[in-house]
Amino acid sequence: KAGVTQTPRYLIKTRGQQVTLSCSPISGHRSVSWYQQTPGQGLQFLFEYFSETQRNKGNFPGRFSGRQFSNSRSEMNVSTLELGDSALYLCASSLGNGGAEETQYFGPGTRLLVL
Amino acid sequence: GDSVTQMEGPVTLSEEAFLTINCTYTATGYPSLFWYVQYPGEGLQLLLKATKADDKGSNKGFEATYRKETTSFHLEKGSVQVSDSAVYFCALRAQGAQKLVFGQGTRLTINP
Repeated sequence: KAGVTQTPRYLIKTRGQQVTLSCSPISGHRSVSWYQQTPGQGLQFLFEYFSETQRNKGNFPGRFSGRQFSNSRSEMNVSTLELGDSALYLCASSLGNGGAEETQYFGPGTRLLVL
Repeated sequence: GDSVTQMEGPVTLSEEAFLTINCTYTATGYPSLFWYVQYPGEGLQLLLKATKADDKGSNKGFEATYRKETTSFHLEKGSVQVSDSAVYFCALRAQGAQKLVFGQGTRLTINP
């Protein structure tokens, strides 16, 4: 079974621009979660989508948004980029049933550098 | 709120040494507990998990036991290899929730 894929793997943008990252979950997984990883703040939860609906949201400004398509693929968008948005953005997929055995599987990440 | 605390790194060991990385958590109810590993330039890989008290998760020689009484999930390996060099993250997922809460990560370096 193919794993979680993320595109692109690397991005360089300048302040004020916007960016869209893409995530394709494991086949059969309906939940997609996004995390931001930085050296200073570690791994922080951005949001989670299930059946095309945002089900959970972390504590990030409205510049960070996402969506999920009917095939469970997800995109996240960051508008008006700031230097502090430079990070590794990780996508994780899971079945989404919330049971004790529920496990998230991560993609390789998209490394975003904002200049 | 829920939180995870890992031992401070970095940790440097010689090959074949015994490894322990401490992890304690704060959460209500019965969270599920995980260890993930991150190799340079890669995403997170699930190493092992445990979903109820006294469960032992194991994989690739690594083990961790869910201790409810001490709210701990320490990672152990009897004999480490150079290929185990990576960053290790302890994480919890609260009952009924989707969000993972991570510790700060522990960088492990194994010298030959």
